Amino acid sequence: EVQLVESGGVVVQPGGSLRLSCAASGFTFDDYTMHWVRQAPGKGLEWVSLVSWDGDNTYYADSVEGRFIISRDNSRNSLYLQMNSLKTEDTALYFCTKDMSSSAWSAFNIWGQGTMVTVSS
Amino acid sequence: DIQMTQSPSSLSASVGDRVTFTCRASQGISNYLAWYQQKPGKVPKLLIYAASTLQSGVPSRFSGSGSGTDFTLTISALQPEDVATYYCQKYNSAPRTFGQGTKVEIK
Repeated sequence: EVQLVESGGVVVQPGGSLRLSCAASGFTFDDYTMHWVRQAPGKGLEWVSLVSWDGDNTYYADSVEGRFIISRDNSRNSLYLQMNSLKTEDTALYFCTKDMSSSAWSAFNIWGQGTMVTVSS
Repeated sequence: DIQMTQSPSSLSASVGDRVTFTCRASQGISNYLAWYQQKPGKVPKLLIYAASTLQSGVPSRFSGSGSGTDFTLTISALQPEDVATYYCQKYNSAPRTFGQGTKVEIK
């Protein structure tokens, strides 16, 4: 079964740091571009970041550029999001998701259940 | 960056109604457009990719059309289980921007 399982979400104070993880199984992890998408409570979906299959290329939403770092460990079938200088507006459910195609940028066909990050003093 | 704008933000229709809502890109994106369905408290689900290709397992009452900047998602006969928020997304380049969503309710 193809599966993505996020972890690491907690309550953290503004200015703090946090590392999210996503464990992948059921597919060839190092074939696919991976993403983080977030959803603030009661709000819509916001794409956060992507990392290419080999980890060489990364992109970020303007809202997190310079504060978040996406990475992957293909030997561990794992995706990560290092979140620094956290703000209250980073409070959201963070989803791990993957491109459906290994050969071209594509839609997201598999989503994890999400991990909740709350930034509050 | 290309912005994605969905309309309306919400709609209410009767079971069996034909429902159509739109997504507009601020610049042309060819057919690099996906639609997702998110039911309350659930994870988003891919419905349509490449603007008009139905994802495996998605009921045939869902259809998508468009190219360039203007896209539509149609539900041919609305069912109670279709109550959800629907998001469009561009994927031709980063950022992979989502629209703000259209919330569909039953009248």
